[in-house]
Amino acid sequence: AQKVTQAQTEISVVEKEDVTLDCVYETRDTTYYLFWYKQPPSGELVFLIRRNSFDEQNEISGRYSWNFQKSTSSFNFTITASQVVDSAVYFCALTSMDTGRRALTFGSGTRLQVQP
Amino acid sequence: GAGVSQSPRYKVAKRGQDVALRCDPISGHVSLFWYQQALGQGPEFLTYFQNEAQLDKSGLPSDRFFAERPEGSVSTLKIQRTQQEDSAVYLCASSEWTSGGYEQYFGPGTRLTVT
Repeated sequence: AQKVTQAQTEISVVEKEDVTLDCVYETRDTTYYLFWYKQPPSGELVFLIRRNSFDEQNEISGRYSWNFQKSTSSFNFTITASQVVDSAVYFCALTSMDTGRRALTFGSGTRLQVQP
Repeated sequence: GAGVSQSPRYKVAKRGQDVALRCDPISGHVSLFWYQQALGQGPEFLTYFQNEAQLDKSGLPSDRFFAERPEGSVSTLKIQRTQQEDSAVYLCASSEWTSGGYEQYFGPGTRLTVT
């Protein structure tokens, strides 16, 4: 069975602070993909990044960066110099490639509030 | 449109009524998924189509839930004899079929309230 844990239920920061959202996953598969999605107050899930299990290279996209560590089964997401527009619920998700099951398994989400 | 669309955006049903939720995926996307998102929770998988074939329905919570995609494009999620526990946001997502990994693009969801 697969599981994604986002232990931080809610985080509040002041604008321009850096913030890291934690994601820990469990899977028995050797080939899998990890994702981060953003859900703003409007409700629509927005895709942010996809990472496969064989690629542990960290990635940076503007103010966003992701740290994938297979040894600790973690896929953490850092926002540098946070902005009010970053306020949303962020979900980490996992899918298996070994079984061919295409469903995403989501964590329970972390609500980020960025105060001006 | 360019994205996934869902209708209606909001639905209020009395307990025991049947409801039908529609999803229009991104044009050309082979895969289509339905998820259920309870308040304050992450989305939970319901069912998956590849073209018109329903390849995985392991997440459907009961036989009151039924989904179809007869022509491999638009999909409908039907809930019969709605119960209060069915109140949730129902999300549809679509993706291209690729050999190695893919991202799912989500619609805005249908918020179902059963009274």
